[in-house]
Amino acid sequence: KQEVTQIPAALSVPEGENLVLNCSFTDSAIYNLQWFRQDPGKGLTSLLLIQSSQREQTSGRLNASLDKSSGRSTLYIAASQPGDSATYLCAVKANQAGTALIFGKGTTLSVSS
Amino acid sequence: DAGVTQSPTHLIKTRGQQVTLRCSPKSGHDTVSWYQQALGQGPQFIFQYYEEEERQRGNFPDRFSGHQFPNYSSELNVNALLLGDSALYLCASSLGGTQYFGPGTRLTVL
Repeated sequence: KQEVTQIPAALSVPEGENLVLNCSFTDSAIYNLQWFRQDPGKGLTSLLLIQSSQREQTSGRLNASLDKSSGRSTLYIAASQPGDSATYLCAVKANQAGTALIFGKGTTLSVSS
Repeated sequence: DAGVTQSPTHLIKTRGQQVTLRCSPKSGHDTVSWYQQALGQGPQFIFQYYEEEERQRGNFPDRFSGHQFPNYSSELNVNALLLGDSALYLCASSLGGTQYFGPGTRLTVL
């Protein structure tokens, strides 16, 4: 059974710091991995999607990497801003036909000005 | 494009009651998935509908049921509500690929 773990559960940093969020999964046979942002009480916003054949994806100050063989992904946020404060969720998709996303519990990030 | 919409935004029910949540998918999307997110947890997959049929189901009891209409909109029904059903219910739509999530419905069971 696929399990997704995110470390740390919470993180507080001053504005301007570069930071890394970690995601690990137990079954390396994934179709893709996706990082989401969730503001308190709100829905999910997709940040980056990495296909199983890819190593990384970049969008602005965000960079996500994938090491499928070791079951790990990282989300790198450069030059953090107070507006980055949110919960970041990692989710894996087992295969194209099995379309359920399996989520971790998330990392809650707080960036202080 | 309005994106994925859900109604209502918030809902308060008492134990034993029944509830219906609604979802309108993103324009052109034919697949709708439902997730339950308890406080402090990641979303848990409930089920997915495609072409008006339940295509995949997560580990949820039969109290949770759904429906998809010909216009691809969907409903989630929960019978005999328990306190533990209190959660944010998220709907996601897709067209064979990336899932786009709605804002969710916050259900509180008293």
